[in-house]
Amino acid sequence: DAMVIQNPRYQVTQFGKPVTLSCSQTLNHNVMYWYQQKSSQAPKLLFHYYDKDFNNEADTPDNFQSRRPNTSFCFLDIRSPGLGDAAMYLCATSRTRGPVDTQYFGPGTRLLVL
Amino acid sequence: AQKITQTQPGMFVQEKEAVTLDCTYDTSDQSYGLFWYKQPSSGEMIFLIYQGSYDEQNATEGRYSLNFQKARKSANLVISASQLGDSAMYFCAMREGLFNNTDKLIFGTGTRLQVFP
Repeated sequence: DAMVIQNPRYQVTQFGKPVTLSCSQTLNHNVMYWYQQKSSQAPKLLFHYYDKDFNNEADTPDNFQSRRPNTSFCFLDIRSPGLGDAAMYLCATSRTRGPVDTQYFGPGTRLLVL
Repeated sequence: AQKITQTQPGMFVQEKEAVTLDCTYDTSDQSYGLFWYKQPSSGEMIFLIYQGSYDEQNATEGRYSLNFQKARKSANLVISASQLGDSAMYFCAMREGLFNNTDKLIFGTGTRLQVFP
């Protein structure tokens, strides 16, 4: 089945130690997104890639970076995690941008910062 | 102003009964999409149903239907014949046209549904 895969499902890191979360998709979708969801809140978009074009949200901290080496993979790098970065990180894909297409989410990675 | 409003923080429903989860939205775009997602305690965001702003008929997907009232700007989710496995958080979301290259789902605050036997 076509799907969005995130690894690992749970990640524990230390304060200030760089961490990378990964996302892959077999849907061959053009757009990939990273959302951050803190406890009891709605997801918040960090950035998205439309093909190779990177689009950052205005309020995304510089501590968060992303890479998309090919259509299938997208990575979220947190350069110096703080305690406030503990959250669920959700990757999503969409065939294209705009109001018509559905965004499909992966299972998420729960990040714990010690 | 809130773009997506879900006024029910929590709802209870008995197994096999129907339940309606409310959602109102605010947009000046003519073209937009409305979505409902289910998020169980595992954290995965599961797509349930989509309604386009130009769709004249209400969307249905199995036990899920979307009661779309464009003039009232409401997009309520109806779950028929509730099952215990329907217990989860439910998010209403909207996707507008592109503006300044931003392309995101705007989520409501969610409604936690509990189904009891």
